[in-house]
Amino acid sequence: EVQLLESGGGLVQPGGSLRLSCAASGFTFSSYGMSWVRQAPGKGPEWVAGIRGGGGNVYYADSVKDRFTISRDNSKNMLYLQMNSLRPEDTALYYCAKVHAEWFGKGSVFDPWGQGTLVTVSS
Amino acid sequence: QPVLTQPPSSSASPGESARLTCTLPSDLNVGDYSIYWYQQKPGSPPRYLLYYYSDSDKGQGSGVPSRFSGSKDASANTGLLLISGLQSEDEAVYFCMIWPSDAVVFGGGTKLTVL
Repeated sequence: EVQLLESGGGLVQPGGSLRLSCAASGFTFSSYGMSWVRQAPGKGPEWVAGIRGGGGNVYYADSVKDRFTISRDNSKNMLYLQMNSLRPEDTALYYCAKVHAEWFGKGSVFDPWGQGTLVTVSS
Repeated sequence: QPVLTQPPSSSASPGESARLTCTLPSDLNVGDYSIYWYQQKPGSPPRYLLYYYSDSDKGQGSGVPSRFSGSKDASANTGLLLISGLQSEDEAVYFCMIWPSDAVVFGGGTKLTVL
């Protein structure tokens, strides 16, 4: 059974940084693309970033480009999201999600999703 | 970012069918895109249900009942999620998603109430 467990969320002041982690199990981690998707309370999901199984190619939503960095450690079955220069509008539940194939891009399906970790950006 | 329009709420009775809509902006032709659907229940992450491009190009998520199906209404530039034989457990928020470019877009969701 695929399991995804996010951690690292919390309360941070505007301009601050956080690093989210996602521990994956139940599948061959390096064979699948992964993604971060966030959801503000009462809103639809918003894709944040994606990465290929091999880790060589990364992709970002315009709203987080140059502030967030997605990475993975295939030896540890871990996915990360380094978030810098955080803004109040980054407040959301952050999910990691497995993608159906090694590549990431147009046509990728997010399935399954973890339970999420809450990030709150406020002074 | 294009906006996918979903009605905020819909309702139907057990055993009936529900038809949930996802309308694309006028500059995107629904015929050119696969429409992906997710279900989210309170306190849980979204669950992938299915995608629909055409009757010959569609796919069901693992373990998703065949009561859930997709379709399109080209005249309305809309993707459709059809749920037949509604059950109380189908009460949830349903999100649509498309890949108009290298960035994916989600709709705002429709809360389906099973009366």
